Amino acid sequence: DAGVTQSPTHLIKTRGQQVTLRCSPISGHKSVSWYQQVLGQGPQFIFQYYEKEERGRGNFPDRFSARQFPNYSSELNVNALLLGDSALYLCASSLGLAGGPENEQFFGPGTRLTVL
Amino acid sequence: AQKITQTQPGMFVQEKEAVTLDCTYDTSDPSYGLFWYKQPSSGEMIFLIYQGSYDQQNATEGRYSLNFQKARKSANLVISASQLGDSAMYFCAMRELGAGGTSYGKLTFGQGTILTVHP
Repeated sequence: DAGVTQSPTHLIKTRGQQVTLRCSPISGHKSVSWYQQVLGQGPQFIFQYYEKEERGRGNFPDRFSARQFPNYSSELNVNALLLGDSALYLCASSLGLAGGPENEQFFGPGTRLTVL
Repeated sequence: AQKITQTQPGMFVQEKEAVTLDCTYDTSDPSYGLFWYKQPSSGEMIFLIYQGSYDQQNATEGRYSLNFQKARKSANLVISASQLGDSAMYFCAMRELGAGGTSYGKLTFGQGTILTVHP
């Protein structure tokens, strides 16, 4: 079975540009979460979507937005890129929302964004 | 606010020896889950082990075990019989389950510990 897939793998942008990152969850998973991992730190929660609705949002500016499609895939958009947005962006999928191990989050390989 | 602290930036262990990676947490929610993930240089986060706040016994998964001390708010990961392939970054994470066990998926991660296994 295919795991969580993300595209692109790597991306280089310049300050002020906009970027869209894509995530396809594991088949049957209805929840997708996005995390930002700056080099040398642990991942920081950005968003969670479930059944196409935003169900959680981390402490990120409005430049960050996301959506989930009917097939449960998701896009993360970042506008007006700053140098500090350079990071590994991880997508995770789970069956549902409940917090126990039955809804373990499976992570994708990430998209490495570099902002110059 | 929930917080995870990993005080060991780096750890070294000899192949076949056991190693303990420390994790302490802070939460006011009586219902929570604790996770450990492994992140190789490729970047993908690999789930290792889970401990629920109401679980009476320490979790074990193969060579991984979680030393859960609730009163001390610690959830240390023990890796037995270390292998060269265990060299990676390890993250402790927590999810507050809140009322009704619905946590909306947010995992709070620590800073991580880089484990290096020597032959």
